[in-house]
Amino acid sequence: EIVLTQSPGTLSLSPGERATLSCRASQSFSDNYLAWYQQKPGQAPRLLIYGASTRATGVPDRFSGSGSGTDFTLTISRLELEDFAVYYCQRYGYFGQGTKLEIK
Amino acid sequence: QLQLQESGPGLVKPSETLSLTCTVSGGSLNSGSYYWVWSRQPPGKGLEWIGSINYSETTYYTASLKSRVTLSIDTSKNQFFLNLRSVTAADTAVYYCARLSVGSWGNFFDTWGQGELVTVSS
Repeated sequence: EIVLTQSPGTLSLSPGERATLSCRASQSFSDNYLAWYQQKPGQAPRLLIYGASTRATGVPDRFSGSGSGTDFTLTISRLELEDFAVYYCQRYGYFGQGTKLEIK
Repeated sequence: QLQLQESGPGLVKPSETLSLTCTVSGGSLNSGSYYWVWSRQPPGKGLEWIGSINYSETTYYTASLKSRVTLSIDTSKNQFFLNLRSVTAADTAVYYCARLSVGSWGNFFDTWGQGELVTVSS
């Protein structure tokens, strides 16, 4: 079983700031099969990043993914109001517990 | 454009079976590049993968639900199905169907339905 631990649980930032979200896996893997999703209240999750660093179709380039082994990061370079949401990482059938990005 | 839509009873009694249908439009279930999945999200909590099925009826289930879950598929109707037996209040959640892309970039859920809230209550 893979455990994905996301940190922080809640991140309070202002529009225009940079957001850095972390996802740590309980075991290392060499294939970088990690995805990130955004979920807004009352909506289904939306795929942002797959393969650890490839943006999905239509995702703005202010979103970027990086990392390898056990440590992965989602970075939002300059926050816009529409980016405040909950973010999940995923590998195979496992999801992290989520990071809530809220307006400061 | 691929779209998925969940349907089924929004209220199920304890000990009964939760049954949901996912209808796919704008694409076919007959592809070796994808699995079709069910996930759920209890109110205020995170996401949980339930299981996956492909066009040839190969299935995978999460360990914690394996004894109670059955997925099936009808490619002629472009639909796939979830049956969850012996439900309790802990099974109350928004249930999502989604497409799982499998390949050289890994396994990821690239298209989701809007979700259906199912409440377990007498």
